[in-house]
Amino acid sequence: AQSVAQPEDQVNVAEGNPLTVKCTYSVSGNPYLFWYVQYPNRGLQFLLKYITGDNLVKGSYGFEAEFNKSQTSFHLKKPSALVSDSALYFCAVRDIRDDKIIFGKGTRLHILP
Amino acid sequence: NAGVTQTPKFRVLKTGQSMTLLCAQDMNHEYMYWYRQDPGMGLRLIHYSVGEGTTAKGEVPDGYNVSRLKKQNFLLGLESAAPSQTSVYFCASRYYGGELFFGEGSRLTVL
Repeated sequence: AQSVAQPEDQVNVAEGNPLTVKCTYSVSGNPYLFWYVQYPNRGLQFLLKYITGDNLVKGSYGFEAEFNKSQTSFHLKKPSALVSDSALYFCAVRDIRDDKIIFGKGTRLHILP
Repeated sequence: NAGVTQTPKFRVLKTGQSMTLLCAQDMNHEYMYWYRQDPGMGLRLIHYSVGEGTTAKGEVPDGYNVSRLKKQNFLLGLESAAPSQTSVYFCASRYYGGELFFGEGSRLTVL
């Protein structure tokens, strides 16, 4: 069965600094990996996904993520954080041989002005 | 373009009552999912469907039933609500190989 771990409940970053939100996964086969963002009292919005190909994936709002197969990680990154990036971020995984999509517990990102 | 629509958005139930949450999508997606979101627990998969007439169990299926009689609709039922089912419920859909599109959520309180 697939699983996702987001080891940090909260990440604090100063505005303008680079940010990283960590995600590790476990699947039996090859993974499809996703990042979503949730603003207060809203549904989740898709940021980016890794299916195959380049390990560095670029997504919405200047976010990118790096797929590392040996470390089974898919960390979310942004070179320069904005206060408006403050939100709850979820990593998700799907085993290519399955249709379940499993989410991590989420990481709350605070960007400090 | 409505995307994924969930009804109702809010509901308060008493223990033992039943109810149905409706999810409707207008994107002709094959796959539909129901999740619940609880503080500190992230999103947990309740049930999902890979096409009209099919359903499958997720991570936390107990106490819930689902039906997918039409491709565009995915219903989540609680036959006898319990306080442990107080949560925010999210429906999502996707196309083959794609990412999930989420509804705005349904907040359920069971007293």
